[in-house]
Amino acid sequence: EAQVTQNPRYLITVTGKKLTVTCSQNMNHEYMSWYRQDPGLGLRQIYYSMNVEVTDKGDVPEGYKVSRKEKRNFPLILESPSPNQTSLYFCASSPWTESSEQYFGPGTRLTVT
Amino acid sequence: GENVEQHPSTLSVQEGDSAVIKCTYSDSASNYFPWYKQELGKRPQLIIDIRSNVGEKKDQRIAVTLNKTAKHFSLHITETQPEDSAVYFCAASNGDFGNEKLTFGTGTRLTIIP
Repeated sequence: EAQVTQNPRYLITVTGKKLTVTCSQNMNHEYMSWYRQDPGLGLRQIYYSMNVEVTDKGDVPEGYKVSRKEKRNFPLILESPSPNQTSLYFCASSPWTESSEQYFGPGTRLTVT
Repeated sequence: GENVEQHPSTLSVQEGDSAVIKCTYSDSASNYFPWYKQELGKRPQLIIDIRSNVGEKKDQRIAVTLNKTAKHFSLHITETQPEDSAVYFCAASNGDFGNEKLTFGTGTRLTIIP
């Protein structure tokens, strides 16, 4: 089954404790991206990657890191999480086709206390 | 950078009536405009998209119109049904492939009244 998976789905952590949210897709998509969703703010892009070893900042990259060592994986790293990073995070992937549709993962709800 | 404004933030429509959601964008270089639907507790899913070389696109009960001069685009849903209740997001992007950097609007919560 073609899909984007994220782990963990739910995470409660404390300020300053490094964490990684994994994202994996099995559709051989070149493009992957991370978004955060907050009430009243919609979806905001954190980072995106157009292929292996190629990453670029989105609109809200501060406090986040990413890496793209393999085509299928695009982990999101929070080196020192803070309460303002409490949010719902979505990973997405897309092929280079005419539609440019992004396929979203199920989301990761992160709470930083 | 790109700024996308979306209105209204909430919309209630009687079942069978039409719903219209409007978005404006700031970057005249934007050339790709998708609409995503997010049902409660679910992930966003693409429902329709349009590129800047097209003024209108239709898919059954859903249509999108684009006015490049005014830098605005709209989603039209006709003959609304209960399953249309969801949050709808517009977005804008530029670049060779149309989705390198995607900026979303803040969303419209659409409620269909039976």
